[in-house]
Amino acid sequence: SQQGEEDPQALSIQEGENATMNCSYKTSINNLQWYRQNSGRGLVHLILIRSNEREKHSGRLRVTLDTSKKSSSLLITASRAADTASYFCATSGVSTDKLIFGTGTRLQVFP
Amino acid sequence: DAGVIQSPRHEVTEMGQEVTLRCKPISGHNSLFWYRQTMMRGLELLIYFNNNVPIDDSGMPEDRFSAKMPNASFSTLKIQPSEPRDSAVYFCASSVGEGYTFGSGTRLTVV
Repeated sequence: SQQGEEDPQALSIQEGENATMNCSYKTSINNLQWYRQNSGRGLVHLILIRSNEREKHSGRLRVTLDTSKKSSSLLITASRAADTASYFCATSGVSTDKLIFGTGTRLQVFP
Repeated sequence: DAGVIQSPRHEVTEMGQEVTLRCKPISGHNSLFWYRQTMMRGLELLIYFNNNVPIDDSGMPEDRFSAKMPNASFSTLKIQPSEPRDSAVYFCASSVGEGYTFGSGTRLTVV
């Protein structure tokens, strides 16, 4: 069964707007990661946040983690048409290397 | 580095036939993962290896599925006999530490 669920399932915005995606998970984690998947392609690692971190930035990406609520959010600022893709959160457990993926958010950015 | 290489990219086979999917991980990566992606079930972890040893195969759906990693540079996922419900995109990923690198996937269609 999947560890994470993402919200919303789909999101449509205009270029230049910010996009926020949320992820909830069920059990204790070592870290949480976000991946992007373009249609028909493999997943690409975007950013990792450890369980003892609360916020992390990478370029136009900002990730937050609230372990008390077992939730994370991914913010993409000043979105571009090229950001159109599906975004997945994935969690790594405390004593395992395996990643369990969420259900994903489909982001459409209109030019 | 060419990244994680999967073959074939597409496979169409008849029900009951044996199917073998192949993966070459990134050199130096000591963990390898096989995932299956469908619209209904999302991304499911099938099995993962660490240093060529299977660590967790709890996601392998049935005895019809088997995976091997004879050396650090090659892994196979075999389905015998194949069934239409096995139709999916199968991804291989490798990692050293945190953050996975995914291959482009094999789209399997069983008719």
